[in-house]
Amino acid sequence: QKEVEQDPGPLSVPEGAIVSLNCTYSNSAFQYFMWYRQYSRKGPELLMYTYSSGNKEDGRFTAQVDKSSKYISLFIRDSQPSDSATYLCAMRYNAGGTSYGKLTFGQGTILTVHP
Amino acid sequence: EAGVVQSPRYKIIEKKQPVAFWCNPISGHNTLYWYRQNLGQGPELLIRYENEEAVDDSQLPKDRFSAERLKGVDSTLKIQPAELGDSAVYLCASSSTLKVNYGYTFGSGTRLTVV
Repeated sequence: QKEVEQDPGPLSVPEGAIVSLNCTYSNSAFQYFMWYRQYSRKGPELLMYTYSSGNKEDGRFTAQVDKSSKYISLFIRDSQPSDSATYLCAMRYNAGGTSYGKLTFGQGTILTVHP
Repeated sequence: EAGVVQSPRYKIIEKKQPVAFWCNPISGHNTLYWYRQNLGQGPELLIRYENEEAVDDSQLPKDRFSAERLKGVDSTLKIQPAELGDSAVYLCASSSTLKVNYGYTFGSGTRLTVV
């Protein structure tokens, strides 16, 4: 079983829809949670990051972390065709040592927003 | 600020041939990462450098993979000999140690095809 599980989709929604993307994880040592967006033939681009449990909002994007359930979400409001990409969740430990800085990624969810 | 620069963007080689990838991180970023992303998967860490030192290479297949980061700036990842299963996108990323909690910046990657 992978440490981070993410539904690969694909997910297709009409423009203006609210999109919900989710990841579950098994390792309670994860403390920092991130969402990356990856366009085709490009590297991942950091979208949101949060520390521990709680919500964080940035424009049309809201990231939620529920550590008790080991579940994180990304919500996209008023989705646009330009949001069409692969969305990757990622997380890392808080502890030091050799694993410091290492990100563990989910599989990625392919999102298409059609006009 | 220039981003993380990788070259070449694409590489096609025959199996058993050697191949090398180059990465120039963001200026001032002392931490450098090499990740491998298989088709339809999230990136997986191969090696992490703090300045010139490889501090986490536990996921690097050392029988055929090698990496170096001379002078703590540019880095090269080499595969010799390449196998069919090495076909993937090789991503380089960099971060400032002080800001690693905020995620890091990826390059566009080198797409390797081994035939």
